Amino acid sequence: QSVLSQAPSASGTPGQRVTISCSGTSSNIGSNSVYWYQQVPGSAPKVVIYKNDKRPSGVPDRFSGSKSDTSASLAISGLRSEDEADYYCASWDDSLRGVLFGGGTKLTVL
Amino acid sequence: EMRLVDSGGDLVQPGGSLRLSCVGSGFAFNNYDINWVRQAPGKGLEWVSYSNANDGTTYYADSVRGRFTVSRDNAKNSLFLQMNSLTSDDTALYYCVRANIEDAFDIWGQGTLVTVSS
Repeated sequence: QSVLSQAPSASGTPGQRVTISCSGTSSNIGSNSVYWYQQVPGSAPKVVIYKNDKRPSGVPDRFSGSKSDTSASLAISGLRSEDEADYYCASWDDSLRGVLFGGGTKLTVL
Repeated sequence: EMRLVDSGGDLVQPGGSLRLSCVGSGFAFNNYDINWVRQAPGKGLEWVSYSNANDGTTYYADSVRGRFTVSRDNAKNSLFLQMNSLTSDDTALYYCVRANIEDAFDIWGQGTLVTVSS
């Protein structure tokens, strides 16, 4: 199963804005919604963005999502130490008839 | 509290079989699609299978199709994953995951560990 493409790592200092990107194709991101999951080591993942740019209740408004053509981005502003985690994008793939996850981006808060 | 509890993980030999279980509570289990997602040690997330709430539709990742079978018993708020012909590549923490009305994976089980090794 193919994966959506993400950079393996990203970093920022407290208070900074960081962006994590996710690249796909016309059969997944290009025609379906994108979801973003945060996973702190030792814990199950948690959804932080759904349907491209919507935030679940309880997720700080420092988290935002966007999508353009076959790519999507997760932005975190006002970076805090508790944002240090692995972040995964996900989208349905029409050709594979299944969910694809990105390889994950490890965010380090310096 | 809405929760999923997965179980059944174990150490199994290559070529062996295992059946995972997932029990939901605190919500109307029969109204939700449920997925299995796995994570190999130190690796990323991999979607494994999907089970529709009511119409019996199932989907599988290419890596498990023909070897894994998902089933559910809504009367018992339960989902199962029958895994056959296991290989070392199937070694992972398996999560049972609810998809909400927005198709977001919003409730995750605690995970159950499957280790395939001789």
